Amino acid sequence: AQKVTQAQTEISVVEKEDVTLDCVYETRDTTYYLFWYKQPPSGELVFLIRRNSFDEQNEISGRYSWNFQKSTSSFNFTITASQVVDSAVYFCALSEVSGSARQLTFGSGTQLTVLP
Amino acid sequence: DSGVTQTPKHLITATGQRVTLRCSPRSGDLSVYWYQQSLDQGLQFLIQYYNGEERAKGNILERFSAQQFPDLHSELNLSSLELGDSALYFCASSVGLAGGPHQETQYFGPGTRLLVL
Repeated sequence: AQKVTQAQTEISVVEKEDVTLDCVYETRDTTYYLFWYKQPPSGELVFLIRRNSFDEQNEISGRYSWNFQKSTSSFNFTITASQVVDSAVYFCALSEVSGSARQLTFGSGTQLTVLP
Repeated sequence: DSGVTQTPKHLITATGQRVTLRCSPRSGDLSVYWYQQSLDQGLQFLIQYYNGEERAKGNILERFSAQQFPDLHSELNLSSLELGDSALYFCASSVGLAGGPHQETQYFGPGTRLLVL
């Protein structure tokens, strides 16, 4: 069975600091997708990034970057120069590509608070 | 705005009652997913439909049922409600099962907050 672990329950930083959110996953599949979603206080779930298991190239998108390492089953997410508006709960999620099922398995989330 | 709509936004009801949550996927998306978010269980997958057919089932109670209609909107029916069913229910949609990695992303609606008293 697949599993996603976010060991950091809460993180607090001061504005403009960089912050990295950790995610470790377990899966038996060789093909899968990893995601990061953001849930601001308003409650909606906002898609941030997706990574495919067959592409380990790490990328940067604006203030977001991610580090995918298959060898350690980790998919860490970094926000550079954090802002108060980044305060939210961040969820890491895994989707196995097995047959026609595509359900997401979520981690327990990391509450990020960015202080002014 | 993800393009996924859910109604109602809030629902307050009593134990033993039955409610229906509605979801309209993004234009062109064939897959619909339902998730439940509660304080003790976190975000959990309930069920997936693809083009009207059930494709995957997660931790969905027997008191809960869902369907996807020909126009691709979906409804989640919750019956014999208990206090523990109080949660935020999300619907998500994606393009479907084929077409490449970029079409695997699930976009979430704003959720329906259910309170059972």
